[in-house]
Amino acid sequence: GENVEQHPSTLSVQEGDSAVIKCTYSDSASNYFPWYKQELGKRPQLIIDIRSNVGEKKDQRIAVTLNKTAKHFSLHITETQPEDSAVYFCAASRTSYDKVIFGPGTSLSVIP
Amino acid sequence: EPEVTQTPSHQVTQMGQEVILRCVPISNHLYFYWYRQILGQKVEFLVSFYNNEISEKSEIFDDQFSVERPDGSNFTLKIRSTKLEDSAMYFCASSPGTGRVGYTFGSGTRLTVV
Repeated sequence: GENVEQHPSTLSVQEGDSAVIKCTYSDSASNYFPWYKQELGKRPQLIIDIRSNVGEKKDQRIAVTLNKTAKHFSLHITETQPEDSAVYFCAASRTSYDKVIFGPGTSLSVIP
Repeated sequence: EPEVTQTPSHQVTQMGQEVILRCVPISNHLYFYWYRQILGQKVEFLVSFYNNEISEKSEIFDDQFSVERPDGSNFTLKIRSTKLEDSAMYFCASSPGTGRVGYTFGSGTRLTVV
């Protein structure tokens, strides 16, 4: 069935360093790849997304890359800050309004 | 900024009881969803709803679950006979279904079955 894998499950970085989270997906019909940030007890919040017709997208300190051939996509956060500490979920979907299959999450800790 | 509103924020219920979780999606959105998240785990798809009917459901969404849009604004999830393993955070979400905008999630209802 449809599955999204995510690594690492936990990530600890020093403030100012970069953080990279990598995901793979199984459904070759996936064309929409959102990334969500979830703080403790809060809702998942969309931080960036990428569609299959694009290989890379950047928004300030956040960038996502997509390799559709390999079914890999990744999140890069540069110049990390303590407020970046949260659980990050990658996800895959056929469109922006189809069901979203979430990865298992990466708990990111940014140490001041 | 428009929000998806969920009530209650926390519901405690006895095993075997029926619960109804309520959501008010964003007013011009056409697609509605329920997801759940067991504590410490990933977010799991339950059901999607479009044009007044279920468009897709997961294997989690068995006969104990139902959804309804009773009026033009509310979207509800009913669990008929709750089990301990139904304890989770339930998130409602909505999407306009067009353009470049994805989901908006509500703040969730924490369901505790005792």
